[in-house]
Amino acid sequence: DSGVTQTPKHLITATGQRVTLRCSPRSGDLSVYWYQQSLDQGLQFLIHYYNGEERAKGNILERFSAQQFPDLHSELNLSSLELGDSALYFCASSKRSGGAGETQYFGPGTRLLVL
Amino acid sequence: AQTVTQSQPEMSVQEAETVTLSCTYDTSENNYYLFWYKQPPSRQMILVIRQEAYKQQNATENRFSVNFQKAAKSFSLKISDSQLGDTAMYFCAFMRANNAGNMLTFGGGTRLMVKP
Repeated sequence: DSGVTQTPKHLITATGQRVTLRCSPRSGDLSVYWYQQSLDQGLQFLIHYYNGEERAKGNILERFSAQQFPDLHSELNLSSLELGDSALYFCASSKRSGGAGETQYFGPGTRLLVL
Repeated sequence: AQTVTQSQPEMSVQEAETVTLSCTYDTSENNYYLFWYKQPPSRQMILVIRQEAYKQQNATENRFSVNFQKAAKSFSLKISDSQLGDTAMYFCAFMRANNAGNMLTFGGGTRLMVKP
């Protein structure tokens, strides 16, 4: 158990809908990272938040957004869902901003299925 | 942009034997970090080992060790005394050494099957 929690574990929804994925980092960690794992794209970085502020964006669609709250938990919002958004979404956390090559610890993931 | 390549989509090894997984990467950076993560059937991403590019000594963690060749941009993982529990997908990952968002760039993965 990495100490990173993600809810829900599974999510089934329909095209066009909106969902919110939640992540709680390890105790004391200030950075949260979101990754998407899909069959065709592999594991891809989406976005990084440090202590409530966005630090970096990767291949994140405009339909997707995220935020990190004062208690350091983070939410990833996916809207206007398409079949291709079906994937495993991971959250990871690290202690600081990651400048020293900090190890990222991954949560169990949320499996999203869009029908 | 950095790229990470794992040229072996699938591998198998007999229990108790040794196996080596390959990884190459492309970067213009001089300072960076490399990681191997394991993803068993449970889908959890588990850190196996990490290597700092400025260190010449290869990292080791129990039965896991790496062969880091900076000039060749190669970072292979050796698993000794393979166990059934080592059956998993293995991902090689690269991280830049700066504060501008330290995302991991992953390779496509190698599926390892340990046979009894």
